[in-house]
Amino acid sequence: QKEVEQDPGPLSVPEGAIVSLNCTYSNSAFQYFMWYRQYSRKGPELLMYTYSSGNKEDGRFTAQVDKSSKYISLFIRDSQPSDSATYLCAMILYSSASKIIFGSGTRLSIRP
Amino acid sequence: EAGVTQFPSHSVIEKGQTVTLRCDPISGHDNLYWYRRVMGKEIKFLLHFVKESKQDESGMPNNRFLAERTGGTYSTLKVQPAELEDSGVYFCASSQDLGSSYEQYFGPGTRLTVT
Repeated sequence: QKEVEQDPGPLSVPEGAIVSLNCTYSNSAFQYFMWYRQYSRKGPELLMYTYSSGNKEDGRFTAQVDKSSKYISLFIRDSQPSDSATYLCAMILYSSASKIIFGSGTRLSIRP
Repeated sequence: EAGVTQFPSHSVIEKGQTVTLRCDPISGHDNLYWYRRVMGKEIKFLLHFVKESKQDESGMPNNRFLAERTGGTYSTLKVQPAELEDSGVYFCASSQDLGSSYEQYFGPGTRLTVT
């Protein structure tokens, strides 16, 4: 069983829609949860990170963590064509741990 | 501020040859990480340097892979001899402090093709 499960998509929505991206994980010891955005042929770009449970908002993006359900989400409001990319959820055991555990990524397409 | 840079962007070699990948982290970042994504799989951790010391190399697949970070600045990852299954995209990342591993910044990757 994978430590982090993420639906690969693809997910296609019209411009302006609210997008919901999700991941589940199996290790309850994870403390930090991140979302990366990756454009084609580029490296992952850190969007947001959260610590423990709760919500964090940054502009049109909201990250949500529910540790009791081992479930994390990324919401994108007022989606734009420039948001079309692969979104990777990721997590790490503690702040000084070496390795990030990644989900497989969800390919998102925003239709103009 | 310059981001993480990697060289080359793409390398095509034959099975049995040697390839060396280079990573320059963000200036001032003591922590440097190598990751790899093989076709159809998730990005997987390879190893972590703190300055010039290997903090964690638990993800290195076998002894054909050798990573160095002399002087605690740039790092190289050598694959010798390369095998077909080594094909993939190799990413380098860096973070400022040991306590900010959740804030890793990635380079564009080196796409390695072994034929």
